[in-house]
Amino acid sequence: EPEVTQTPSHQVTQMGQEVILRCVPISNHLYFYWYRQILGQKVEFLVSFYNNEISEKSEIFDDQFSVERPDGSNFTLKIRSTKLEDSAMYFCASSVGQGAGNTIYFGEGSWLTVV
Amino acid sequence: QKEVEQDPGPLSVPEGAIVSLNCTYSNSAFQYFMWYRQYSRKGPELLMYTYSSGNKEDGRFTAQVDKSSKYISLFIRDSQPSDSATYLCAMKELTGGGNKLTFGTGTQLKVEL
Repeated sequence: EPEVTQTPSHQVTQMGQEVILRCVPISNHLYFYWYRQILGQKVEFLVSFYNNEISEKSEIFDDQFSVERPDGSNFTLKIRSTKLEDSAMYFCASSVGQGAGNTIYFGEGSWLTVV
Repeated sequence: QKEVEQDPGPLSVPEGAIVSLNCTYSNSAFQYFMWYRQYSRKGPELLMYTYSSGNKEDGRFTAQVDKSSKYISLFIRDSQPSDSATYLCAMKELTGGGNKLTFGTGTQLKVEL
């Protein structure tokens, strides 16, 4: 079964460092997302991306965050200058389209620890 | 009031029991409802989705939606130890909200032998 794959599975970084989390969405999907889950808290929407541009973002997704689809298969989340509160599990997700019947599939997550 | 409320549990049941998991929501624009299962430190895995009031069955799982009460449920019949996980409800608007999912906090379920 096709799946969303994410790398790295776990990354430890120092505060202030840049981090890039990588994702390979399901191949025929056109919509891509990043969500995060702080330990013990709910899964929260960060950003959605379609046709090479951001279609929606949450208030969490500030200027420190950016997304990119550098080639035909990868989708990345960059955090420019990490803070302690960025420690969380980051999930990439993808879907074929929008609206009813378009299921969003999640990857296994990248666990980011900022020290 | 939170947009989506879900009892975090933990909920502990014996093997074979019927499990009932519930969420309430306040946003009338939510029209599309999903249940995800999440094992510890793993990604959410879609179990069921529905966008109409009423029941939808898939094997041992039944999803129920009552839009008039803004209440959704997931029933698990003949629960197994392998069902032990956190169950997340998630919702989205059909229009205007794109594909953004709003999640509940998740209910931790433990099925004991």
